[in-house]
Amino acid sequence: EAGVAQSPRYKIIEKRQSVAFWCNPISGHATLYWYQQILGQGPKLLIQFQNNGVVDDSQLPKDRFSAERLKGVDSTLKIQPAKLEDSAVYLCASSPSSWWTAGNTIYFGEGSWLTVV
Amino acid sequence: QKEVEQNSGPLSVPEGAIASLNCTYSDRGSQSFFWYRQYSGKSPELIMFIYSNGDKEDGRFTAQLNKASQYVSLLIRDSQPSDSATYLCAVKDKGGSEKLVFGKGTKLTVNP
Repeated sequence: EAGVAQSPRYKIIEKRQSVAFWCNPISGHATLYWYQQILGQGPKLLIQFQNNGVVDDSQLPKDRFSAERLKGVDSTLKIQPAKLEDSAVYLCASSPSSWWTAGNTIYFGEGSWLTVV
Repeated sequence: QKEVEQNSGPLSVPEGAIASLNCTYSDRGSQSFFWYRQYSGKSPELIMFIYSNGDKEDGRFTAQLNKASQYVSLLIRDSQPSDSATYLCAVKDKGGSEKLVFGKGTKLTVNP
């Protein structure tokens, strides 16, 4: 079974530039998450999609971050304009619906590493 | 904002010893608790989950949950150098919410 795919793996941009990250979840997984993990910290949820609808975006800095999940499959996370404090790993994850009831889990991709200089 | 607290460490133990990792959470209604392992430069991977008070054992790993004290722990017996990683405690929101809230993680080093 293919895992969660993310690209690009690494990106270095200057502040005020824009960047976009792409995620392809595990086939059949209805729920897709974008987490931000700053060095030395745990992952923080930015946005959660159920199919192509937003379930939770309470911690997404909407003045600069946007995300979409067209057709309920792939997703794109965009940052514009980037700030130095956006340097982090952006983890995409996916899960089947009601994953916890079946002793399942959410599955993470390898992450997209962003450095803003 | 629901919080999950962990000692950031680092925690250093000799090979063969028991490593003890601790986690507390703020939301008394939380129902499901997870331990993830994250190797440097890699994504988190699930190693244990626990839903009920008490102990749950899986090989060298034991998760302990005390909902009254809002406390979760992970014990690693016979620690190996390959266990060296950051261990993330995660708590699932109650009810139908599917999201996980993570702690900052505890970095464990097992010395040969």
